[in-house]
Amino acid sequence: EAGVAQSPRYKIIEKRQSVAFWCNPISGHATLYWYQQILGQGPKLLIQFQNNGVVDDSQLPKDRFSAERLKGVDSTLKIQPAKLEDSAVYLCASSWESSGSFNEQFFGPGTRLTVL
Amino acid sequence: AQTVTQSQPEMSVQEAETVTLSCTYDTSESDYYLFWYKQPPSRQMILVIRQEAYKQQNATENRFSVNFQKAAKSFSLKISDSQLGDAAMYFCVWFSGTYKYIFGTGTRLKVLA
Repeated sequence: EAGVAQSPRYKIIEKRQSVAFWCNPISGHATLYWYQQILGQGPKLLIQFQNNGVVDDSQLPKDRFSAERLKGVDSTLKIQPAKLEDSAVYLCASSWESSGSFNEQFFGPGTRLTVL
Repeated sequence: AQTVTQSQPEMSVQEAETVTLSCTYDTSESDYYLFWYKQPPSRQMILVIRQEAYKQQNATENRFSVNFQKAAKSFSLKISDSQLGDAAMYFCVWFSGTYKYIFGTGTRLKVLA
């Protein structure tokens, strides 16, 4: 079965520019997660979708970050405008469903963002 | 707040030897899961092993095993017969339905030939 796909793999932009990342989860996975992984740190959850609805976006900097999953399948994460501190790897993960019980998350390869 | 602490930023092990990675966590919840994830240089995170908090028996997956001490809130990973392919960043992860996934800061494992 195909894994979680992400694009682009690398992106370099200047501060104040905008950028978008794309994620296609494993087929049939209802839950999709976006994580931010800053160098030297563990991933931090930004937003979690259940189908096309937002379950948790408490750590998403909503003044500059936005995410959508309109058809409950693929998702985009946008940053506008980018700041230097947004330089990180953005990981997408998916799982069958999340209702309090455990479902293994499968991770994509990530997008490495560098903001100059 | 739930926290996960990995006090070893980097570890080295000789090929075929055994290494133990440490993890402690803090939570007031009684029902949760703990995991070790491996992130090789290509960055694709892979689940290595998981432990349900209600189970007393330590989980084992081939060369990987854990030492789960619930009262001490400790969850260490033992890798036996280390292989070059084990070189990666290892994350200790805590999960509950309420707080989702909380990652530690990671331990970079180097395997020496």
